Amino acid sequence: KAGVTQTPRYLIKTRGQQVTLSCSPISGHRSVSWYQQTPGQGLQFLFEYFSETQRNKGNFPGRFSGRQFSNSRSEMNVSTLELGDSALYLCASSLGSAWTNTEAFFGQGTRLTVV
Amino acid sequence: DQQVKQNSPSLSVQEGRISILNCDYTNSMFDYFLWYKKYPAEGPTFLISISSIKDKNEDGRFTVFLNKSAKHLSLHIVPSQPGDSAVYFCAASVGFSYAGGTSYGKLTFGQGTILTVHP
Repeated sequence: KAGVTQTPRYLIKTRGQQVTLSCSPISGHRSVSWYQQTPGQGLQFLFEYFSETQRNKGNFPGRFSGRQFSNSRSEMNVSTLELGDSALYLCASSLGSAWTNTEAFFGQGTRLTVV
Repeated sequence: DQQVKQNSPSLSVQEGRISILNCDYTNSMFDYFLWYKKYPAEGPTFLISISSIKDKNEDGRFTVFLNKSAKHLSLHIVPSQPGDSAVYFCAASVGFSYAGGTSYGKLTFGQGTILTVHP
């Protein structure tokens, strides 16, 4: 069974640009969550999507947005990039089934560098 | 406001001995807890989880203990192996109720503990 796939693995962007990151969850998983990892703040939750709907959201500005497609693949978009957006962006997928605790499995991440 | 804390930035253990990693939390609403292991430039790898209705869960060499009254979580690795050397994160979640059930999709992570197991 293939794991969580994130593309691209590495990205360099200029301040003010926008970027789109992609995540393909494990087959059969319907929940996709996004996290940002930085040395100063650690791993922080961005948002969760389930069945094409945003189900939960962290404390990030509106420049950070996402969406989920009918095949559960998800994209994350950051507009008007700032230097502080440089981070490892991680996607996690889980079954997201009702009434069960299900583990989240992470992809390898996309390393975004803003210059 | 850091709701999940791992107060030990690092831990060094001899191969074959027990590794004990600790985690404290402040939010009494957390009802699901997980441990992840992470290597540099890779995503976290799930290790073991525990629901708040339990106080212990075992999986092979890994055991997680939950003390709800103390709001404390620990991960025991026995015996420790050099391949266990990595950063370990504890994470916690509050069940989010929606029309279809309960989601645990939002994880709050601790800052991580670097475990080094010496041969």
